Amino acid sequence: TQLLEQSPQFLSIQEGENLTVYCNSSSVFSSLQWYRQEPGEGPVLLVTVVTGGEVKKLKRLTFQFGDARKDSSLHITAAQPGDTGLYLCAGAGSNFGNEKLTFGTGTRLTIIP
Amino acid sequence: SQTIHQWPATLVQPVGSPLSLECTVEGTSNPNLYWYRQAAGRGLQLLFYSVGIGQISSEVPQNLSASRPQDRQFILSSKKLLLSDSGFYLCAWSVQGASGYTFGSGTRLTVV
Repeated sequence: TQLLEQSPQFLSIQEGENLTVYCNSSSVFSSLQWYRQEPGEGPVLLVTVVTGGEVKKLKRLTFQFGDARKDSSLHITAAQPGDTGLYLCAGAGSNFGNEKLTFGTGTRLTIIP
Repeated sequence: SQTIHQWPATLVQPVGSPLSLECTVEGTSNPNLYWYRQAAGRGLQLLFYSVGIGQISSEVPQNLSASRPQDRQFILSSKKLLLSDSGFYLCAWSVQGASGYTFGSGTRLTVV
């Protein structure tokens, strides 16, 4: 069974601060995705990383896939209230044709104005 | 463009009553379809997935079942709901061969 642990579980910081959220597993994934979810809505895909060591930037968000494709991090620079939400990482199986995603435990981020 | 519709948005059902949640996808063919359940503010648990009409894989033993009567229709059902079936149910689709999911807006089910 593939498990993804996210840390921290909860994070509350002031607007303008930087933060990093971690997603760790003992399993290897063919790709890893990050989603953000607002209350009462479905998660929305932010990014997909595929190659070990890959770094992708989405405005103030920087995503990194670990070299061994077992872990990932999300760094937010100068956090804004609009960044508030539940952040979920999700890993795709390493078997070809297996598109099932295993979701992480989630990080609840609150940005205080 | 592709869209996914999930309904109802909110549902309150008594214990022992049946359940039917429907999800439809537009603008794509032969999608992978998924049903997830989410505990309050936490990660998602995969319940069922389907790679084609009539093909259903169950991930966890439970009081629920799924069906895919048409290519772009995915239904989650139960004959008799339990209190433990309460939760936020999410339908999602993906293109076969790719891993990005598009989620529906979810159904908040409360069993009373």
